[in-house]
Amino acid sequence: GENVEQHPSTLSVQEGDSAVIKCTYSDSASNYFPWYKQELGKRPQLIIDIRSNVGEKKDQRIAVTLNKTAKHFSLHITETQPEDSAVYFCAGLNQAGTALIFGKGTTLSVSS
Amino acid sequence: DAGITQSPRHKVTETGTPVTLRCHQTENHRYMYWYRQDPGHGLRLIHYSYGVKDTDKGEVSDGYSVSRSKTEDFLLTLESATSSQTSVYFCAISESWTGGYTFGSGTRLTVV
Repeated sequence: GENVEQHPSTLSVQEGDSAVIKCTYSDSASNYFPWYKQELGKRPQLIIDIRSNVGEKKDQRIAVTLNKTAKHFSLHITETQPEDSAVYFCAGLNQAGTALIFGKGTTLSVSS
Repeated sequence: DAGITQSPRHKVTETGTPVTLRCHQTENHRYMYWYRQDPGHGLRLIHYSYGVKDTDKGEVSDGYSVSRSKTEDFLLTLESATSSQTSVYFCAISESWTGGYTFGSGTRLTVV
């Protein structure tokens, strides 16, 4: 079945630095790749997504890139701020294309 | 709040008892999902629904059943709770297979 691997599991950066989180997926038919942010004690929230016909998408300080040939996609956060500290999850569609399968998450800590 | 509510928010139950968690939405979305979140495992799909009375299994469905008799309600039942089912359970809704998910606030279930 579909598998989504995410790394690193933890990431610590200084305020103002960039952060990159990478995910790989196994099912070449998957065509939708969202990223979710979960603050401590809160629900996961969609922050950005990308579809397979696009190589890159940006929204202010966050961007996602997709390499379908290599089956990986990445989240880039520039000019990190303490409020970016959270757990970030990548996801891809399951083999049937009917539900999201999530990576295990990356805990990002931004220190000021 | 986000058009999706979960109840109860917290529950402690004894091993061997049945437990039902409720997810209620006011968005009229067709798709609803149940995930469990455990440290080191991220979000794992239990069951999902693509319409009234239409449900399918996810990656960790053993010991769980679901029902959806109305568009707005998706129930998750632990038929005979075990300690391994201690977890935080999240419901999510979506307009389409490849649309962003909106998550509920979660139910923290403890099986003693």
